[in-house]
Amino acid sequence: GQQVMQIPQYQHVQEGEDFTTYCNSSTTLSNIQWYKQRPGGHPVFLIQLVKSGEVKKQKRLTFQFGEAKKNSSLHITATQTTDVGTYFCAGREMNTGFQKLVFGTGTRLLVSP
Amino acid sequence: EAGVAQSPRYKIIEKRQSVAFWCNPISGHATLYWYQQILGQGPKLLIQFQNNGVVDDSQLPKDRFSAERLKGVDSTLKIQPAKLEDSAVYLCASSLGLTGSSYEQYFGPGTRLTVT
Repeated sequence: GQQVMQIPQYQHVQEGEDFTTYCNSSTTLSNIQWYKQRPGGHPVFLIQLVKSGEVKKQKRLTFQFGEAKKNSSLHITATQTTDVGTYFCAGREMNTGFQKLVFGTGTRLLVSP
Repeated sequence: EAGVAQSPRYKIIEKRQSVAFWCNPISGHATLYWYQQILGQGPKLLIQFQNNGVVDDSQLPKDRFSAERLKGVDSTLKIQPAKLEDSAVYLCASSLGLTGSSYEQYFGPGTRLTVT
């Protein structure tokens, strides 16, 4: 079945440093979503990417969908302590009728002040 | 707009006991999902409903787990009998989307289940 892996599993940065998490799917995706889960909280939707090579920005966050639609990345510029949490990508496999969303393994980000 | 409601928030049971979780999705959301999130892992889809019909339950351990969504609104997820490995957070989510659409999912606060 479809597998979605993320690297790194964990990253600890100093406030102000940049951060990137990479997401790789074993199959081609129709679209990909990104979620953030704060410690003790539930996943919160950040963004959805649909087109090959698509790049979207939300303030300090930049999301990219690969040309082959099998990978994606999230880059945070100048991290802040409020960025702490686990970031999940979630992909929908192409050519499946109901397009189940498969969550990645997640990258846990810790930001020290 | 009210979010996805879940209850209880926490539950501790002994193995072989039964437990039920309840979810009330956002009003008007046709699609409802139950996920299992084991500590340190991403959410794993257990079952997906479209209105009151099951769209996908391929990862639901049907020998012990059951779920229903009567009248296409609220949903309950039951485990009977529970095993130690069922200890996890059970997340309910809902979305506007119809089958095959790609709408963002809104998650409830989850129920943290501990099986001893």
